[in-house]
Amino acid sequence: DVKVTQSSRYLVKRTGEKVFLECVQDMDHENMFWYRQDPGLGLRLIYFSYDVKMKEKGDIPEGYSVSREKKERFSLILESASTNQTSMYLCASHARQGAPDTQYFGPGTRLTVL
Amino acid sequence: RKEVEQDPGPFNVPEGATVAFNCTYSNSASQSFFWYRQDCRKEPKLLMSVYSSGNEDGRFTAQLNRASQYISLLIRDSKLSDSATYLCVVGFSGGYNKLIFGAGTRLAVHP
Repeated sequence: DVKVTQSSRYLVKRTGEKVFLECVQDMDHENMFWYRQDPGLGLRLIYFSYDVKMKEKGDIPEGYSVSREKKERFSLILESASTNQTSMYLCASHARQGAPDTQYFGPGTRLTVL
Repeated sequence: RKEVEQDPGPFNVPEGATVAFNCTYSNSASQSFFWYRQDCRKEPKLLMSVYSSGNEDGRFTAQLNRASQYISLLIRDSKLSDSATYLCVVGFSGGYNKLIFGAGTRLAVHP
């Protein structure tokens, strides 16, 4: 069974804190993605990675960085959290040669920055 | 202008009703099309892919009009369990298969 897990379902942090969101997939997928989801805006791509140590900016990378040291793990880092980064964060993975309709999502992390 | 536009709803319908959702996309280079379903506080899950010839899966029918850049989803005989947000998604093939998501249309089916 396909499995994408995220380290926390709910997280509360203070402005200026460094925040790590972890995502792990057990499907040996090459591609991994981080999105944020906000009301009225849908899912927006922050960063993606198509291989270990490889990363590409998505549509809204400002204020974020990522790390992919192992194939199964993709981390999203907020260097200095701000209130406008309060959002739902969703990780997804996809096999490089897979059909586009095989992108699987983790359960999401709802981050609140105070 | 958003790349993928949907009516946010909510659509409030009684059980057994037929309901249709529409979606337009702006990039004519889009190559793949999907409807995802997202339950409250859950992750999106693929409902169905959408093909130019139209496709049906039980009570769900999806249509694509490439010339008008328009996608639709029809749900017949609505069930209470159909209550969710429906996301229109377009994709671009390539090494990473980029997906662009609409903001979603909320459906509430009541007894």
